[in-house]
Amino acid sequence: DSGVTQTPKHLITATGQRVTLRCSPRSGDLSVYWYQQSLDQGLQFLIQYYNGEERAKGNILERFSAQQFPDLHSELNLSSLELGDSALYFCASSVDAGVEYNEQFFGPGTRLTVL
Amino acid sequence: DQQVKQNSPSLSVQEGRISILNCDYTNSMFDYFLWYKKYPAEGPTFLISISSIKDKNEDGRFTVFLNKSAKHLSLHIVPSQPGDSAVYFCAASAFGNQFYFGTGTSLTVIP
Repeated sequence: DSGVTQTPKHLITATGQRVTLRCSPRSGDLSVYWYQQSLDQGLQFLIQYYNGEERAKGNILERFSAQQFPDLHSELNLSSLELGDSALYFCASSVDAGVEYNEQFFGPGTRLTVL
Repeated sequence: DQQVKQNSPSLSVQEGRISILNCDYTNSMFDYFLWYKKYPAEGPTFLISISSIKDKNEDGRFTVFLNKSAKHLSLHIVPSQPGDSAVYFCAASAFGNQFYFGTGTSLTVIP
């Protein structure tokens, strides 16, 4: 158990809909990262938040957005869903205490299926 | 644009033998590399890392080798155990920026 929790575990929805994925980082971790893993693809970095502020952006679509709340949990919002958005979405957290590289601890993921 | 590539989707090894997982990258600015291990229905877990100032890092049965001129790294597991059966991802980063992950290699260790 990494200490990172993600809800829900599974989500099935229809095209055009909007969903929210939730992540609670490890206690004490200030950074949260979101990744997407599509079939036969590696983990694609989407976005990072550090202590409530956006720190880095990767291959995140405009239809997707995220935020980190004062209690440090994070939500990833996916809207106008398309079939190609079906994937595993992972959240990771790290302490980011001024060290250049921080080990990221991953949650178990949310499997999103868009029908 | 896949900057980190794992060209072998799967690998089978006999228990007790050496497992060698390979990873190639294209960005010469990458200066930090990691391997993650993933079991089904779980998130990836950190295994071992290496900085570009080194060419080898060892942790128990796991050793990572980095060949900067070839832009290649490999993970050696000796001896392989059935519990090592998992998907292994390599990842790379430049100057503390985002990590780029490979597509993973599924390792099966046969008892």
